[in-house]
Amino acid sequence: EAGVTQSPTHLIKTRGQQATLRCSPISGHTSVYWYQQALGLGLQFLLWYDEGEERNRGNFPPRFSGRQFPNYSSELNVNALELEDSALYLCASSLEGAYGYTFGSGTRLTVV
Amino acid sequence: GESVGLHLPTLSVQEGDNSIINCAYSNSASDYFIWYKQESGKGPQFIIDIRSNMDKRQGQRVTVLLNKTVKHLSLQIAATQPGDSAVYFCAERQSGGGADGLTFGKGTHLIIQP
Repeated sequence: EAGVTQSPTHLIKTRGQQATLRCSPISGHTSVYWYQQALGLGLQFLLWYDEGEERNRGNFPPRFSGRQFPNYSSELNVNALELEDSALYLCASSLEGAYGYTFGSGTRLTVV
Repeated sequence: GESVGLHLPTLSVQEGDNSIINCAYSNSASDYFIWYKQESGKGPQFIIDIRSNMDKRQGQRVTVLLNKTVKHLSLQIAATQPGDSAVYFCAERQSGGGADGLTFGKGTHLIIQP
């Protein structure tokens, strides 16, 4: 069974640009979660999608947005990139209502 | 808001010894707890979980203990091996799911000394 896949693995952007990160959940999983992990810090909740709908978002500005497609894959968009957006962005998926998540390997975003 | 925290950011143990990683939580509404292991350059990997109606659960070389009285969670790793070197995160989930899903602590870096 394929795990959660994220692309790209690394992304370098210039301040002010936009970044798009992608995630494919485990087959059959309908919930997708996005987390930001800055260097040396824990996982900060960004967004939760289920059945194509945004269920909740964390304490991040509106320039962090995303969507979930009919095949349950998801996209995270970060507009007007700032240097402090540099982090590992992790995607996780789960069955609807399940408590445990399966994580992907992340996208390392570097803003220069 | 309430959050999960860890007592020690770094733990160094000798290979072959047992490791104990601690976690304090403050949300009494949490009914599910989970430990993840994150190796360098990889995403967090599930280790073991426990529901609040239990106080102990064992896996392969790992044991999770839950003390609801003092809101404390621990992960015990038996006979620590070099491959156990990683950052370990505890996470909690509020009863009913919670709007934020899992809430993670900052992590403990486990270092294995040869």
